Amino acid sequence: GAVVSQHPSRVICKSGTSVKIECRSLDFQATTMFWYRQFPKQSLMLMATSNEGSKATYEQGVEKDKFLINHASLTLSTLTVTSAHPEDSSFYICSARDSPAGNYFGPGTRLLVL
Amino acid sequence: QKEVEQNSGPLSVPEGAIASLNCTYSDRGSQSFFWYRQYSGKSPELIMFIYSNGDKEDGRFTAQLNKASQYVSLLIRDSQPSDSATYLCAVNVGNQFYFGTGTSLTVIP
Repeated sequence: GAVVSQHPSRVICKSGTSVKIECRSLDFQATTMFWYRQFPKQSLMLMATSNEGSKATYEQGVEKDKFLINHASLTLSTLTVTSAHPEDSSFYICSARDSPAGNYFGPGTRLLVL
Repeated sequence: QKEVEQNSGPLSVPEGAIASLNCTYSDRGSQSFFWYRQYSGKSPELIMFIYSNGDKEDGRFTAQLNKASQYVSLLIRDSQPSDSATYLCAVNVGNQFYFGTGTSLTVIP
């Protein structure tokens, strides 16, 4: 149980385009989903916390207008990187929480912006 | 001050030895504590969590929590080369999860 999927697993796009990443909890309902970014050889950086049906809470320094988060249902959250630039190239990982003890990660999405 | 602090390592231990990973946290309101393992290029996977003072054992892994000292550790017994990875400590405060920077562990055959 507790499987989280992400789609796509890898995306390459041109600078200036927008990219949408989906995070799904497959076998449980997630009241909260988290979005992280990880640059090579660095730690996970929390970008935002997403609660179903409400606005996401963004961490300091994360532009909410650039990283749009939509948590439309208890099993789906999306992250849209708008007007992506090469510096946005990173490993984006979501996690979904079903209980105080359970926070499960998706497999991640590698974004490369050319 | 960061919410969660870990020594970045690298930590090297011989195969079969005990690896000890440490983590401190700043918020006394922290409720639960997690250890994740992350292999290079992969997303983290949960090893175990703990929320009560004391020890919690799961196979070769033991998590230790001391809330008075704001300290949580992970012991890996009989370390294997496949345990070589980055170990992330995470702390749950309210609805937030905060991660340490991770400790890189190498188990030498």
